[in-house]
Amino acid sequence: ETGVTQSPTHLIKTRGQQVTLRCSSQSGHNTVSWYQQALGQGPQFIFQYYREEENGRGNFPPRFSGLQFPNYSSELNVNALELDDSALYLCASSFGLANYEQYFGPGTRLTVT
Amino acid sequence: AQTVTQSQPEMSVQEAETVTLSCTYDTSENNYYLFWYKQPPSRQMILVIRQEAYKQQNATENRFSVNFQKAAKSFSLKISDSQLGDTAMYFCAFITILLGSNYKLTFGKGTLLTVNP
Repeated sequence: ETGVTQSPTHLIKTRGQQVTLRCSSQSGHNTVSWYQQALGQGPQFIFQYYREEENGRGNFPPRFSGLQFPNYSSELNVNALELDDSALYLCASSFGLANYEQYFGPGTRLTVT
Repeated sequence: AQTVTQSQPEMSVQEAETVTLSCTYDTSENNYYLFWYKQPPSRQMILVIRQEAYKQQNATENRFSVNFQKAAKSFSLKISDSQLGDTAMYFCAFITILLGSNYKLTFGKGTLLTVNP
């Protein structure tokens, strides 16, 4: 059974640029959630995708967008990067909406300069 | 608003001893799940233990157990026989169960636990 994987591991971008982060869900999982973890903080919910459709969004601006593909992998896109977007971005997968246990990937560390 | 408070930013314990991490939460919902996640320095978040709010019996997983006090909205984690590998950031989190809603985890700010040899 393959766990949740994320790429890239680290990324450095300049303010104003755009970035795409990728997540492969655990085998058999069809729900992906994205979280932002600022330094010294707990993760904050960005949005969730279930069977290729957005299923809820946290308090993040529209420049944070996502996609889920037929194989249930997912992308997080952030446009017009700001310094405060520097964080660890975590992806978590689960099977269905009624399964409350989410399995996390190792994260992507994004630094905006 | 749904919130999770972990009042201990850092804790330390000697190897083989017992330590308790505190967590309080606030929700107006009656149906939810509570979790403790561990995030070692390698970053990958690992589920340690979970508790269904409708269950009165406290959950136990090997050396890890919880003290769930629903009326007080308290959910502490006890680690017995602490091991060096328990050194990590520990996050308390919950999910509310609302039909037709998304199941997002709400996290606390975490407690950094250091196990000393």
